[in-house]
Amino acid sequence: AQKVTQAQTEISVVEKEDVTLDCVYETRDTTYYLFWYKQPPSGELVFLIRRNSFDEQNEISGRYSWNFQKSTSSFNFTITASQVVDSAVYFCAVGGSYIPTFGRGTSLIVHP
Amino acid sequence: DTGVSQNPRHKITKRGQNVTFRCDPISEHNRLYWYRQTLGQGPEFLTYFQNEAQLEKSRLLSDRFSAERPKGSFSTLEIQRTEQGDSAMYLCASSPPGEGANSPLHFGNGTRLTVT
Repeated sequence: AQKVTQAQTEISVVEKEDVTLDCVYETRDTTYYLFWYKQPPSGELVFLIRRNSFDEQNEISGRYSWNFQKSTSSFNFTITASQVVDSAVYFCAVGGSYIPTFGRGTSLIVHP
Repeated sequence: DTGVSQNPRHKITKRGQNVTFRCDPISEHNRLYWYRQTLGQGPEFLTYFQNEAQLEKSRLLSDRFSAERPKGSFSTLEIQRTEQGDSAMYLCASSPPGEGANSPLHFGNGTRLTVT
C-alpha cells in the first residue's frame, strides 16, 4: 500500500559541500504526510520535518531545505554547507491512513 | 518531556530462549509503535497500540512474537524461542493523540538483540 525508495545508499562529501538526499514514495492515499528523520551514530531516530500532501511549498529551516514535488512523487532533502555533525543516516517516510512506512535510509558521511 | 525509554539497551541470548523488552512512551502519548531495524535497512513496522488496544500487526510478526500494553502506558514485546534471524534493533516509538499516523514519531534508543 505504501513504499518509500531512497536510491542513494551512501553519500560521502567534504564539509561545506551541498548535498541532496533523494526520496521517492508510493501511496494509494490522496491525503498523506511525508517525513524525514535523522539517525545519528548514537542510534535514536529524530524527527526533522513533516509535509502535508496538499502543501507543495518548499520549506527551508536553516541549512536544511525540502523540495516536495507531487508530480514526481518526490520529497528531496538538501543540506547546504554540510558539517561533520550532519553525518548520520537519514530516513524518508510516508504516512496517511496506513502506518508510517520508512525507506531504507541514506547514510551521509561528511568529512572534515 | 522525558522521551521514550527502552530497556534493556542490549540483550544477548541463546537461540531458543525467550526475551522480553520494555518500552515506556512519553506520558501523554496514546499511540505506541514497535518497529524492527536490521543493519542497512529502515525501520520495519511490527505492531501498534492505541491506548491499551493493539490495533494492527504486521505480517512480519510471527506467532513467536507478542506485544502488550496492559494499562495503556508502558508496553512489552516478547519473543519466544528466539532464532538467529531475530537479531535486530527493536525500536519503540510513540505519538500524541489527534493526528493518527500523521503524527511525527518519537523514538526511543532501541533494544539491540543478538541471538547466538
